[in-house]
Amino acid sequence: DTEVTQTPKHLVMGMTNKKSLKCEQHMGHRAMYWYKQKAKKPPELMFVYSYEKLSINESVPSRFSPECPNSSLLNLHLHALQPEDSALYLCASRFRQDLSDTQYFGPGTRLTVL
Amino acid sequence: SQQGEEDPQALSIQEGENATMNCSYKTSINNLQWYRQNSGRGLVHLILIRSNEREKHSGRLRVTLDTSKKSSSLLITASRAADTASYFCATDLYQGGSEKLVFGKGTKLTVNP
Repeated sequence: DTEVTQTPKHLVMGMTNKKSLKCEQHMGHRAMYWYKQKAKKPPELMFVYSYEKLSINESVPSRFSPECPNSSLLNLHLHALQPEDSALYLCASRFRQDLSDTQYFGPGTRLTVL
Repeated sequence: SQQGEEDPQALSIQEGENATMNCSYKTSINNLQWYRQNSGRGLVHLILIRSNEREKHSGRLRVTLDTSKKSSSLLITASRAADTASYFCATDLYQGGSEKLVFGKGTKLTVNP
């Protein structure tokens, strides 16, 4: 299984809603990432988890709250978002061994904040 | 902030032609990677080149790295319509004891049938 799955694929939420994005991988990778990508822009790193511990937070507003319940799951809890938070949210896991270093990306969640 | 900068920003070619994309970066690196993204989808890893390598091949892909100029190029030979996608270079960056990938702005490639 060389796949990173993300749910939901699409999400529309109001500014007062609370929702969560979910990411799952069963490749045994111990580093997982959340990225935000606006249209026609590169992915921007939000959070990095290494061995289920938050290792990088790129000064992301507190309305985004990551969680790593176990080595296979990564969640992103959303609360009181703004319309400018509308974007494609990508999850990735990283495999690094010997000469290989690859991030495996999920298909993303397209988020629209009304 | 982006460490890599690709050029051109957009490239349109005919099927069968070669496509060359360039990437420049700012700080020293351990490796440089190229990723591909189909419209609105996740990224797919294409190839990694280490800082002590100058050239690498994978199928129709050829990557070069010039660490003295802090630049890399991705060549796709005999392009196909299915190669239409955005291509990003990414470099590793150490921050606060952890490592992260920083993506360039990307090149949008259109291959016309």
